Amino acid sequence: EAGVAQSPRYKIIEKRQSVAFWCNPISGHATLYWYQQILGQGPKLLIQFQNNGVVDDSQLPKDRFSAERLKGVDSTLKIQPAKLEDSAVYLCASSPGLAESYEQYFGPGTRLTVT
Amino acid sequence: LAKTTQPISMDSYEGQEVNITCSHNNIATNDYITWYQQFPSQGPRFIIQGYKTKVTNEVASLFIPADRKSSTLSLPRVSLSDTAVYYCLVGEGDNTNAGKSTFGDGTTLTVKP
Repeated sequence: EAGVAQSPRYKIIEKRQSVAFWCNPISGHATLYWYQQILGQGPKLLIQFQNNGVVDDSQLPKDRFSAERLKGVDSTLKIQPAKLEDSAVYLCASSPGLAESYEQYFGPGTRLTVT
Repeated sequence: LAKTTQPISMDSYEGQEVNITCSHNNIATNDYITWYQQFPSQGPRFIIQGYKTKVTNEVASLFIPADRKSSTLSLPRVSLSDTAVYYCLVGEGDNTNAGKSTFGDGTTLTVKP
């Protein structure tokens, strides 16, 4: 079974530039998550999709971050414009979306450096 | 969301059993408890999940007392490769928010030879 795919793996941009990350979840998984993980901290949920609808985006800085999940499969996360404090690893995860199981499958992440 | 509290770090030696305890005093009736492991430069990886009493799989055991206000992840006979950060999550159980949970800062386990 193929895992969660993310690209790019690394990205370096200057502040005020834009960047986009892509995620392809495990086939058939209804729930997709985007997390931000700053060095030394646990992952922080940015947005959760159930199929192509947003379940939770309460911690997404909506003035600069946006995310979409077209057709309930792939997803993109965009930052525009980037700030220095956005330097982090951006993790995508997916899960079957069953109420009795919260096992999330994580991708390798995208390491973003904002200079 | 139920807040979780874990020790920041733990040290152990190869071959020992390691127990990591997580406190979740505000756990709700429908919440499940899930543990993840994360190695440097990788995404977290699911270890085990439970609702009450004891759950065991090929890599770990999870002990949950009757009041469910805490849980203990038990790793038998750890090796150097078990050095990682371990996260305890408590997840909401209703269908609307299925899977919604929060990572804390985890416990950094260091296994020494």
